[in-house]
Amino acid sequence: GESVGLHLPTLSVQEGDNSIINCAYSNSASDYFIWYKQESGKGPQFIIDIRSNMDKRQGQRVTVLLNKTVKHLSLQIAATQPGDSAVYFCAESQNTPLVFGKGTRLSVIA
Amino acid sequence: EAGVAQSPRYKIIEKRQSVAFWCNPISGHATLYWYQQILGQGPKLLIQFQNNGVVDDSQLPKDRFSAERLKGVDSTLKIQPAKLEDSAVYLCASSLDFGWQETQYFGPGTRLLVL
Repeated sequence: GESVGLHLPTLSVQEGDNSIINCAYSNSASDYFIWYKQESGKGPQFIIDIRSNMDKRQGQRVTVLLNKTVKHLSLQIAATQPGDSAVYFCAESQNTPLVFGKGTRLSVIA
Repeated sequence: EAGVAQSPRYKIIEKRQSVAFWCNPISGHATLYWYQQILGQGPKLLIQFQNNGVVDDSQLPKDRFSAERLKGVDSTLKIQPAKLEDSAVYLCASSLDFGWQETQYFGPGTRLLVL
């Protein structure tokens, strides 16, 4: 079946720098995308979502970009902080259960 | 607002034994989900309830897994008998209403180790 994947399993970023986490999806019919953050020992926490009729959405310190042409999703975190260290999952849906990618581990270097 | 509660947080059992997990969703949330998260992977949906009815259980291994939400609030997920490959974190989530674009709020999960 179609699935969502991530380009890099780990990402290390200096504190204060911007982070970019990428995600590739294969189902061109997906119309809803979401990013979750999962800290060690905790459940996933909603960060931001975007629908297919948009190509950019901003939240507090986070921006999600959607490129439907190449089926690519990215999460940008501005001024990365130690508290941003976690595994980040993208997920997609086509009016179906969310399909999660494998995740990218973000490590923030102080 | 209290979040999704799950218990136990950890469980170690031997293969072929039975185990049950409990979930209490956020008050007022009609939809409840159980996910399985194997180490190093993203969560995978096992079953979804809308109030006390099953909406989707297509990925639930029904020969050994069962779940119920009798009064439309708390839910239990049971594995009988457990296999080694069932070792995972079992996450419960809830959302205010039905719809795949409803924000899901996750509990801390139950970490199961089958020996």
